[in-house]
Amino acid sequence: ETGVTQTPRHLVMGMTNKKSLKCEQHLGHNAMYWYKQSAKKPLELMFVYSLEERVENNSVPSRFSPECPNSSHLFLHLHTLQPEDSALYLCASSRRGVNEKLFFGSGTQLSVL
Amino acid sequence: AQTVTQSQPEMSVQEAETVTLSCTYDTSENNYYLFWYKQPPSRQMILVIRQEAYKQQNATENRFSVNFQKAAKSFSLKISDSQLGDTAMYFCAFMKHGDYGGSQGNLIFGKGTKLSVKP
Repeated sequence: ETGVTQTPRHLVMGMTNKKSLKCEQHLGHNAMYWYKQSAKKPLELMFVYSLEERVENNSVPSRFSPECPNSSHLFLHLHTLQPEDSALYLCASSRRGVNEKLFFGSGTQLSVL
Repeated sequence: AQTVTQSQPEMSVQEAETVTLSCTYDTSENNYYLFWYKQPPSRQMILVIRQEAYKQQNATENRFSVNFQKAAKSFSLKISDSQLGDTAMYFCAFMKHGDYGGSQGNLIFGKGTKLSVKP
């Protein structure tokens, strides 16, 4: 257990559904991240939030909408997804300005039908 | 742009033996960090070891050590006395030094090596 919790663990949704992924960290970190892990592709950084402000958006389609209400919580809102969006979505956190170590959650396995 | 290449999609090793996983990277940066992460079936990415590029000494963490060859842009991971619990996907990753204070977390990952430790 690294102190980063993601829910749900699995999610199946249709292309017209709206759902949200949740991430919570109990480590006192001030930066949080969303990564996408697709089959046969390297992990890709999607978003970075530092001190609750989005500092990085890696050309992610607008059907993915992140939200960081406070330094402990991070959401990824999903709407009108495509089947190619099926992947493992990993959340991570770190203490920006102290070291570069990222702590990851166990991810949400998303299937879009 | 930085790239990370892991040329071994799968490897296997007998319990208690030693195995080396390969990683090469391409960058024009002089200051950067390199990492090995482990992802067991639980899916959680766990940091195994990290190396600062400005340090010539190879990093070690218990049974895990790296062979960092900066000129060759090579960063291999050696696992000694392999244990069944080492069975996992192993990912090599790169981060620019400047990203530490700025867009921190922009890890560039390789595609991974699936390691199986056999009893």
